[in-house]
Amino acid sequence: AQKITQTQPGMFVQEKEAVTLDCTYDTSDPSYGLFWYKQPSSGEMIFLIYQGSYDQQNATEGRYSLNFQKARKSANLVISASQLGDSAMYFCAMRENTGTASKLTFGTGTRLQVTL
Amino acid sequence: DAGVIQSPRHEVTEMGQEVTLRCKPISGHNSLFWYRQTMMRGLELLIYFNNNVPIDDSGMPEDRFSAKMPNASFSTLKIQPSEPRDSAVYFCASSGRGYYGYTFGSGTRLTVV
Repeated sequence: AQKITQTQPGMFVQEKEAVTLDCTYDTSDPSYGLFWYKQPSSGEMIFLIYQGSYDQQNATEGRYSLNFQKARKSANLVISASQLGDSAMYFCAMRENTGTASKLTFGTGTRLQVTL
Repeated sequence: DAGVIQSPRHEVTEMGQEVTLRCKPISGHNSLFWYRQTMMRGLELLIYFNNNVPIDDSGMPEDRFSAKMPNASFSTLKIQPSEPRDSAVYFCASSGRGYYGYTFGSGTRLTVV
């Protein structure tokens, strides 16, 4: 079963508009972490934002915010005031504890295209 | 901090040859992960280490793949013999105690012809 689901293979947004990228997850572990990474066309994986399962408030980092709805098991990424440089693949990931260590499992990604 | 360092950045090799990918994690990080990224399968976790010990290698596709971490500052991923379907971008990432983040290297783009 998919542990991380990103249902939007591609999204378009106009410059300066806000966009929400969806992510749902599945885990029975009460302690977990959720991440968003950006992968531009150059290929590197860039960490954007993190939300811990026990965090009371939604995480924010500059123009990025994470809309964390624990009961729904969703962790959507909101990008405000989109810029052309935001065009990239975006991956949602979940950290699961395996006892001796933790591992990061990724969704299939959403390709975001910012237009003029 | 130089970040996670992978080498080579690009590798082109002929089918049947041995390929070795290298990774230097961030100093002080105690967990190291190898991922493979392809269009068809996305980002797959191949293997990860904690304190230099392999914890889970269930993602390693076949016996042709092996990984080692002889010390805290170095890991290798070896494919022997390589096949065209191994063509992918291979990422190494590291993480540390008390640090929730995972830092990725720039990746090695492997092409097997």
